Amino acid sequence: NAGVTQTPKFQVLKTGQSMTLQCAQDMNHNSMYWYRQDPGMGLRLIYYSASEGTTDKGEVPNGYNVSRLNKREFSLRLESAAPSQTSVYFCASSEAGTGVAYNEQFFGPGTRLTVL
Amino acid sequence: GDSVTQMEGPVTLSEEAFLTINCTYTATGYPSLFWYVQYPGEGLQLLLKATKADDKGSNKGFEATYRKETTSFHLEKGSVQVSDSAVYFCALIDRGSQGNLIFGKGTKLSVKP
Repeated sequence: NAGVTQTPKFQVLKTGQSMTLQCAQDMNHNSMYWYRQDPGMGLRLIYYSASEGTTDKGEVPNGYNVSRLNKREFSLRLESAAPSQTSVYFCASSEAGTGVAYNEQFFGPGTRLTVL
Repeated sequence: GDSVTQMEGPVTLSEEAFLTINCTYTATGYPSLFWYVQYPGEGLQLLLKATKADDKGSNKGFEATYRKETTSFHLEKGSVQVSDSAVYFCALIDRGSQGNLIFGKGTKLSVKP
């Protein structure tokens, strides 16, 4: 049982390049999330997918797109990378759903992205 | 909007010292509260949680009590170990949301032997 996996672990891009961060979970969770973590800022939600086939913007969606490929996989794409997107990116999943009092989110190990 | 405020770090303690990390929140509804921990080079993992007023969450010697009257959820441990060195995040989920967590900025704890 791998939990939440992310690829790649590290990536260096030049400004203007594109890339896709991959995330997969094997817990049959309905909801998946992408966060970025910056020093002194905590974690900020980029996009989330409450269920297969749906995606919604979070707090900081500009410059990103997402795809919920199936129930297991949720990818994050940077179409034209900028230095401001240098960050650590975390994917998470949870059972979630309407009316649930709380939902533990399970996090992947992160992708460290540097944009030069 | 909803928000979480944590004490600024970093916090440096000697082994076996008492730990308190303060956390207060602002929420329009009636949130569930969490503490997550991030060990160096890893993702976040849930440390403890509380879903209603006066609930006490506990795990690995850490405790936090949901105080509605003071809108607080302070993290405590009676005797820290070097292995507790990590970044600690307070977070909330507002009821009726899709399960989206709102995080504090994190508090880095370093424990010296």
